[in-house]
Amino acid sequence: EDQVTQSPEALRLQEGESSSLNCSYTVSGLRGLFWYRQDPGKGPEFLFTLYSAGEEKEKERLKATLTKKESFLHITAPKPEDSATYLCAVQGSGGSYIPTFGRGTSLIVHP
Amino acid sequence: EADIYQTPRYLVIGTGKKITLECSQTMGHDKMYWYQQDPGMELHLIHYSYGVNSTEKGDLSSESTVSRIRTEHFPLTLESARPSHTSQYLCASSDWGGPSTYEQYFGPGTRLTVT
Repeated sequence: EDQVTQSPEALRLQEGESSSLNCSYTVSGLRGLFWYRQDPGKGPEFLFTLYSAGEEKEKERLKATLTKKESFLHITAPKPEDSATYLCAVQGSGGSYIPTFGRGTSLIVHP
Repeated sequence: EADIYQTPRYLVIGTGKKITLECSQTMGHDKMYWYQQDPGMELHLIHYSYGVNSTEKGDLSSESTVSRIRTEHFPLTLESARPSHTSQYLCASSDWGGPSTYEQYFGPGTRLTVT
């Protein structure tokens, strides 16, 4: 059974204070690891897909990296508008098209 | 940009009422999903579909039904709403083929309150 654990559950940063969110996973044959951003009361917004260890992707102040056991979402010099819950999900090779989601990390960036 | 729509956005309804939550997407995606999410909690899969006339139950039994008569439309029906159904309902879709096969695009959600 695929599993995803995200840490920390909540993170408070000052504007400009860089940090990282962690997504640890176990999966049988990784087909993809996904990061989403979710604002309160809204649906998740797709950010990145990572397919293999060593891969990195960037979008503005966000950079996602992947190893064989975990992924990090690095946030460089965050701004208050980066405040949101960040969800991680994995898709294994089990034959379904149902990703396994983590509970998310709630990020608050104070001005 | 993903084009997936849900209506209504907010709904307050009494116990025992039948309700249908609408979900439509204009991207031509074959795969569609319904999730339930409580505040601060993970997404729970309720139903999914891999194409027209294909529907399956997910892990969460919510006493709901779905239909997939058209590619773009995937409504969720609660035959008899209960207070335990109070939650956020999210619809998602994804495409077939290539790197985007597993990427899901979500609608804005329907916030349901059953009194």
